[in-house]
Amino acid sequence: ILNVEQSPQSLHVQEGDSTNFTCSFPSSNFYALHWYRWETAKSPEALFVMTLNGDEKKKGRISATLNTKEGYSYLYIKGSQPEDSATYLCASLKGAGSYQLTFGKGTKLSVIP
Amino acid sequence: NAGVTQTPKFQVLKTGQSMTLQCAQDMNHEYMSWYRQDPGMGLRLIHYSVGAGITDQGEVPNGYNVSRSTTEDFPLRLLSAAPSQTSVYFCASSHRGRDQPQHFGDGTRLSIL
Repeated sequence: ILNVEQSPQSLHVQEGDSTNFTCSFPSSNFYALHWYRWETAKSPEALFVMTLNGDEKKKGRISATLNTKEGYSYLYIKGSQPEDSATYLCASLKGAGSYQLTFGKGTKLSVIP
Repeated sequence: NAGVTQTPKFQVLKTGQSMTLQCAQDMNHEYMSWYRQDPGMGLRLIHYSVGAGITDQGEVPNGYNVSRSTTEDFPLRLLSAAPSQTSVYFCASSHRGRDQPQHFGDGTRLSIL
């Protein structure tokens, strides 16, 4: 069982602020890193899947980076909006041929208007 | 597009009863999985399947059974419900491949009395 850690557990930011949070995962036998956005009363939706060290992905105001050598990924939100309020999950896929995603507990973001 | 469909959305059972949670996807995905979501625990993998006729255990398989007779369907069976199985259950599917994101159903909220 992998140990995927996310920090902080929760944070509150003002509308317009930029923010970032961290996902840490074991660097050995790394295969892929997933980010999901999970709004209350809905199901998780995929944001990014990253596989290569140094990967950077962007979708609108949200971007993510990946460092597989040291085992961390950052998610950035630029100019937070109230609709960005959600729990952001990361999950690590370990080893070639493994299809077991291990999820972190998530970072709950609240954007205050 | 239906995507991943879970039924029922809510269910209350008595201890010792059995039931089947249904999951169907119409995207011709090879990979399907079941997770449970408990407060403070993150999503934990119960069972998964990489194709019809192939299933394997995840992190928390005890008390659950699965089968995959078709590509589309992946039912989860609770053999003898226990209060510890009170949870929200999510089914997910994806194409095989390290860069493929998971598509989640809307969840089934299950209470065991």
